Amino acid sequence: DGGITQSPKYLFRKEGQNVTLSCEQNLNHDAMYWYRQDPGQGLRLIYYSQIVNDFQKGDIAEGYSVSREKKESFPLTVTSAQKNPTAFYLCASSYGGDNEQFFGPGTRLTVL
Amino acid sequence: GEDVEQSLFLSVREGDSSVINCTYTDSSSTYLYWYKQEPGAGLQLLTYIFSNMDMKQDQRLTVLLNKKDKHLSLRIADTQTGDSAIYFCAEPSSGTYKYIFGTGTRLKVLA
Repeated sequence: DGGITQSPKYLFRKEGQNVTLSCEQNLNHDAMYWYRQDPGQGLRLIYYSQIVNDFQKGDIAEGYSVSREKKESFPLTVTSAQKNPTAFYLCASSYGGDNEQFFGPGTRLTVL
Repeated sequence: GEDVEQSLFLSVREGDSSVINCTYTDSSSTYLYWYKQEPGAGLQLLTYIFSNMDMKQDQRLTVLLNKKDKHLSLRIADTQTGDSAIYFCAEPSSGTYKYIFGTGTRLKVLA
């Protein structure tokens, strides 16, 4: 079955630690995206990638980093520089342009 | 600016119709999308409409598009408790690979 997966579903981190969230897709999509969702709020774009080995900052990139070494994978690292990282993180992918985005199930990150 | 606006909450009784409204910004968007998010889950595409259409019907869902006013609506007929979720409208941002999502409307269906 084709789809987009995220792991882990729940993640706990101590303050001062970096943590990496996984996102994998087998839909052969060129574009991939990371969003952050806070309780009662909409989606905010962190980073996006249109093609392998290329990515752009979204609206709230500070304190986050990404890589796109493979078409299928777009991991997100939440660094210790991110002041308020507790949130629900959503990964998405698409063929790009105006095509629909497909979403993963999300990772809930809690900083202890 | 690039804001897509939605009302935050809607409460309806089971069996009634629900209408969720959205005001978007980019008149050059080819498609406009509606997504549904159930608690603790990712977003699922519910339906979409081409920008050259005024209306699209898909079973219990009706999408209306008013390009002049940049207004999009989603009507759910015979609303069920399983329709309780957050609904997002979204438009592609022209010239980029980015999407602009609305703030989301939380629909609560009362039994």
